[in-house]
Amino acid sequence: DQQVKQNSPSLSVQEGRISILNCDYTNSMFDYFLWYKKYPAEGPTFLISISSIKDKNEDGRFTVFLNKSAKHLSLHIVPSQPGDSAVYFCAASERKVTGNQFYFGTGTSLTVIP
Amino acid sequence: ETGVTQTPRHLVMGMTNKKSLKCEQHLGHNAMYWYKQSAKKPLELMFVYNFKEQTENNSVPSRFSPECPNSSHLFLHLHTLQPEDSALYLCASSGAGRTTLSYGYTFGSGTRLTVV
Repeated sequence: DQQVKQNSPSLSVQEGRISILNCDYTNSMFDYFLWYKKYPAEGPTFLISISSIKDKNEDGRFTVFLNKSAKHLSLHIVPSQPGDSAVYFCAASERKVTGNQFYFGTGTSLTVIP
Repeated sequence: ETGVTQTPRHLVMGMTNKKSLKCEQHLGHNAMYWYKQSAKKPLELMFVYNFKEQTENNSVPSRFSPECPNSSHLFLHLHTLQPEDSALYLCASSGAGRTTLSYGYTFGSGTRLTVV
């Protein structure tokens, strides 16, 4: 059963506008959440993270919001730029005795239209 | 350069072939991972190694055989694969504890595998 879900496979946004990517999770034990960005023919690269003790984390144009009661997080990109066009993966972590394990969503393909 | 290097970038193999994927990290990390990315599916964790010891095997078929000779190198040996095994295979590494939680894994660029 998929523990991290990204229900929108794709999103198109005009340059300069806000991009909002959504992610839902089912496991209440998850305590760290990350967003990764992936360009074609490259591996995912870390973008931004948030721990469960916060509800917002901001880094430049990127802000992640966490709603623990709804088990929902979102990534806001403002303003969106054509170089932001990529696949964005949401990931959640549960601490385990053997180390941390991340569970990934299926990704959302963002296209920013110039 | 991400610090995690995977070779080859592309691989086409027949169902009776034996091949190996290689991963190398120069980040001083102590954990390494193999992930499989199939179309329209989440990244699937296959194997985890911590300090060269395998700590996770997520019910992966025995036609996939990992090897971790040291903390910097990870291999995935392939034999008698099926066409449905065609996917992008990603290697990743991570440091310990809080750093991993806050910054996740460092991924390689992956090997695009096609089984014919």
